[in-house]
Amino acid sequence: EADIYQTPRYLVIGTGKKITLECSQTMGHDKMYWYQQDPGMELHLIHYSYGVNSTEKGDLSSESTVSRIRTEHFPLTLESARPSHTSQYLCASSVRQGYNEQFFGPGTRLTVL
Amino acid sequence: QKEVEQDPGPLSVPEGAIVSLNCTYSNSAFQYFMWYRQYSRKGPELLMYTYSSGNKEDGRFTAQVDKSSKYISLFIRDSQPSDSATYLCAMTRHSYNQGGKLIFGQGTELSVKP
Repeated sequence: EADIYQTPRYLVIGTGKKITLECSQTMGHDKMYWYQQDPGMELHLIHYSYGVNSTEKGDLSSESTVSRIRTEHFPLTLESARPSHTSQYLCASSVRQGYNEQFFGPGTRLTVL
Repeated sequence: QKEVEQDPGPLSVPEGAIVSLNCTYSNSAFQYFMWYRQYSRKGPELLMYTYSSGNKEDGRFTAQVDKSSKYISLFIRDSQPSDSATYLCAMTRHSYNQGGKLIFGQGTELSVKP
């Protein structure tokens, strides 16, 4: 099983709150990603990073922001949560070179009331 | 139009059946094709990985790519209840070494009944 962790696993929060979803990996991977997954829909890439101090927006527009200050840590922040942010958020990582299998964390299920 | 289309199911089969899961895609530039398996309340895990056209076999699983038809398949032989999961196809235009991003299908939910 891959060593990539996400906390919290479940979060129910009110509109307007600031939240941070945590993602950590112990594999030393350079690349890290955040995906959004809704039931019956494909995974959408919302942010990715190729290394420390590198962050890029993905294909799906998102009001969230990310930071990559340490290789192992890639947190996602929503400054003001809204019901439209309700979704499953998946973090993944991969090595920069060679066979680029993405290892996924267990996900955070966010509900904004 | 979505770049990758996958029948969302759900698909229910008896134990021991042969299962065929399929995806079609529109972008002929895709070269790398993957199948991920996602159990309930877990993240996806890579099951099979193929490059360009052809077949690849791993135990009870066979991945097939037909680039001329823009069609990929995953076959599961002698299906087991433990195969019950959502299967996601994914593909990318080029190697991640060159910055390629994965494009996912919607996933097919499979249930194998004992």
